[in-house]
Amino acid sequence: DIQMTQSPSSLSASVGDRFIITCRASQSIITYLNWYQQRPGKAPKLLIYAASSLQSGVPPRFSGSGSGTDFTLTISSLQPEDFAIYYCQQTYSIPFTFGPGTKVDI
Amino acid sequence: QVQLQQSGLVLVNPAQTLSLTCDIFGDSVASNGATWNWIRQSPSRGLEWLGRTYYRSQWFDDYAVSVKGRITINPDTSKNQFSLQLNSLTPQDTAMYYCGRSPIGGSHQVDYWGPGTLVTVSS
Repeated sequence: DIQMTQSPSSLSASVGDRFIITCRASQSIITYLNWYQQRPGKAPKLLIYAASSLQSGVPPRFSGSGSGTDFTLTISSLQPEDFAIYYCQQTYSIPFTFGPGTKVDI
Repeated sequence: QVQLQQSGLVLVNPAQTLSLTCDIFGDSVASNGATWNWIRQSPSRGLEWLGRTYYRSQWFDDYAVSVKGRITINPDTSKNQFSLQLNSLTPQDTAMYYCGRSPIGGSHQVDYWGPGTLVTVSS
């Protein structure tokens, strides 16, 4: 199975901050990388797919980049509703595996 | 707009079989443009993709090795739903179980999720 790691595991930030989450795959996954946001008690929500494509309805302050093994999720200016847990997922090979998550809180 | 509906809470005894269904609204389980997935989440294992079913002139399925041999995902075209069966349950199968849709043409991303079913395996 392809192993996914994320850093940092958690961070504290303020409204208006710019922050970057890094996701690394144990082997090349080209651009088969998705990002999800999960708020407490809710199902994950798709933000970015294919490493850099913004899901319809997601604010443009979210962006993704990377290819191969290293990827980033950037939020240009944190909003109150962005405090959540963020997960990356590789879909290059089955089983599709998720990273352990990055918790962003105030 | 696609909506996926799941039942709320399930309590199952160890060694028994879990059966869950996911009702689809706004799309078809037999669509050539989607795959239909089960994913679970627990504090100990995080998010874990379990498997999927999809139709491409015939039915296909894929399963995670971690549950292979215990899992079956079946479509039901008459009810426009798909189901998960997981047998030989242990307490380690306690988790929130989500169903989800992946559209064709992307990177197998799950763009619509069900609300989840909390499954507890306990005697």
